[in-house]
Amino acid sequence: SQQGEEDPQALSIQEGENATMNCSYKTSINNLQWYRQNSGRGLVHLILIRSNEREKHSGRLRVTLDTSKKSSSLLITASRAADTASYFCATDEGGRGGSEKLVFGKGTKLTVNP
Amino acid sequence: NAGVTQTPKFRVLKTGQSMTLLCAQDMNHEYMYWYRQDPGMGLRLIHYSVGEGTTAKGEVPDGYNVSRLKKQNFLLGLESAAPSQTSVYFCASSSGKIQYFGAGTRLSVL
Repeated sequence: SQQGEEDPQALSIQEGENATMNCSYKTSINNLQWYRQNSGRGLVHLILIRSNEREKHSGRLRVTLDTSKKSSSLLITASRAADTASYFCATDEGGRGGSEKLVFGKGTKLTVNP
Repeated sequence: NAGVTQTPKFRVLKTGQSMTLLCAQDMNHEYMYWYRQDPGMGLRLIHYSVGEGTTAKGEVPDGYNVSRLKKQNFLLGLESAAPSQTSVYFCASSSGKIQYFGAGTRLSVL
């Protein structure tokens, strides 16, 4: 099955710096989502970008989507220690709907040092 | 508003034992999902349901069964647990694109 692959697998930065995570996927999609998972908790939805959108913002989050390269990036600006978490991209089935199934990548583990 | 609630939170089983994980959602969502999360593997879909009384196989269904007798509940059963089923299990529900997750069940099979 198609799967988003995040890059890098782990990222360590200082508070105040920007963090960029990338996701690549294999087949056509209707939309791509990013989720956050704090240690020992469930995933929480952050942002959804549709296939006809190129960029989307939500607070300190900026997501880009390049369907020609089958890739997306998540930028967190002015990072805080509370942003420490794992971040996952998730893609849908690109039209083969009816179940709203998502395929998740393996995640990027972000550590923000105070 | 509780959202998605999973019980139990932790469980230790011996090989061959059976158990049922319960997922309950109070958001009137049609779709419900069971995932497992293993180190370095991300989330993998076990089974899912598109409505009350329906279930379907996901990516890794072997060794698991599910039931959706009521819209708000989605049960995941392990008939004969194996050490390979040691994992963290997550339930999610959705009414469309965005999925809402429970806090997870950490299962160890010895």
